[in-house]
Amino acid sequence: ELKVEQNPLFLSMQEKKNYTIYCNYSTTSDRLYWYRQDPGKSLESLFVLLSNGAVKQEGRLMASLDTKARLSTLHITAAVHDLSATYFCAVTIQGAQKLVFGQGTRLTINP
Amino acid sequence: ETGVTQSPTHLIKTRGQQVTLRCSSQSGHNTVSWYQQALGQGPQFIFQYYREEENGRGNFPPRFSGLQFPNYSSELNVNALELDDSALYLCASSLRRDLDIQYFGAGTRLSVL
Repeated sequence: ELKVEQNPLFLSMQEKKNYTIYCNYSTTSDRLYWYRQDPGKSLESLFVLLSNGAVKQEGRLMASLDTKARLSTLHITAAVHDLSATYFCAVTIQGAQKLVFGQGTRLTINP
Repeated sequence: ETGVTQSPTHLIKTRGQQVTLRCSSQSGHNTVSWYQQALGQGPQFIFQYYREEENGRGNFPPRFSGLQFPNYSSELNVNALELDDSALYLCASSLRRDLDIQYFGAGTRLSVL
């Protein structure tokens, strides 16, 4: 059974600091997604990573994928308050129809 | 704005009742997936529909059922509601069955008392 684990689950950080969220998964996957969720809101797609070594960046967020280690990272550079949200990684396996999500990382950025 | 709309936004039911949740997919998307998100947890896959046929199911009992219509809108039906069914229910549409990016609706918050 495919399992996805994120850490940390809670992260409180100050503005302008850098930090990384980690996402480990248990079996070979052909794509990995990062989503953002604001309180009471739905999921917003951030990144789709398709191959080993893939790196994508959008603003202060950068995601990478190491399929050999079954690890993805979401790096936050010089955090700002607007990035406060819960971040989920999700994984699929070839031929499967579902996304398997991690538990989420609740990120709080303090002034 | 993802173009996926869900109704109602909030719903309160009592244990044992039945509920129907609705989802209107993004235009041109023939695949819809439903997820249950309990408070403080990640979404859990319920099932997926592709061109009106069920195309995969998660670990949910048969009292969770669905429909997809020719216009690709869909419904999630839950019978014999239990307290643990209280959650945010999300639908997601995608252009292809092989899991192109899934676009999520805002969800329906179901409370079972």
